[in-house]
Amino acid sequence: EVQLVESGGGLVQPGGSLRLSCVGSGFDFSGFWINWVRRAPGQGLEGVAGMSPDGSEKYCVGSVEGRFTVSRDNTKRSLYLQMNGLRAEDTAVYYCTRDSGYSKFDLWGQGTLVTVSS
Amino acid sequence: QSAPTQPPSASGSPGQSVTISCTGTSSDVGVSNYVSWYQQHPGEAPKLIIYEVNKRPSGVPDRFSGSKSGNTASLTVSGLQAEDEADYYCKSHEGGNFGGGTKLTVL
Repeated sequence: EVQLVESGGGLVQPGGSLRLSCVGSGFDFSGFWINWVRRAPGQGLEGVAGMSPDGSEKYCVGSVEGRFTVSRDNTKRSLYLQMNGLRAEDTAVYYCTRDSGYSKFDLWGQGTLVTVSS
Repeated sequence: QSAPTQPPSASGSPGQSVTISCTGTSSDVGVSNYVSWYQQHPGEAPKLIIYEVNKRPSGVPDRFSGSKSGNTASLTVSGLQAEDEADYYCKSHEGGNFGGGTKLTVL
């Protein structure tokens, strides 16, 4: 089955860290940009970070730059998001999504919930 | 770059047609052949319903159609059904950001 599966979410205190993982199966994981998109409560979708197929290019949205780091291991068919210095405003469901070209996000995981609260 | 502007809400009765707009600028939506639309039901992951302005992925009903004029892209849902009630988001490749989202209510 073609799918993306996220894990690693949970409850963390402000200033804490979490590492999200996204594992792909049923397709050539190493051939696609994979991205993290989040949806905070009451808010819309926000692209957070992404990485090119070979890992040579990556981006992080301004609000998380310097705190979040995206990486991937194609041998494990996995994309990661290391989140440090977490803030309440980072509370959201985090989805990983496959870009089939020109921002055609055609495959999404089920999401993992990150809650930042004391 | 700023996010494309979408109306926060839209509504229609079953069987009617509704159009949701996505207004950007001449640097993103206006120059893009790569506008996509996503549908998200509560508690579910987003789903691609339109890509490259007006193309539908396999399995998406032809009740969903996309178009673009100038700096504004549009999603039209014809023959509204109860299951179309969801949040809808646009995105252009050149702009990078998702639109703010539109909550579609089927009356």
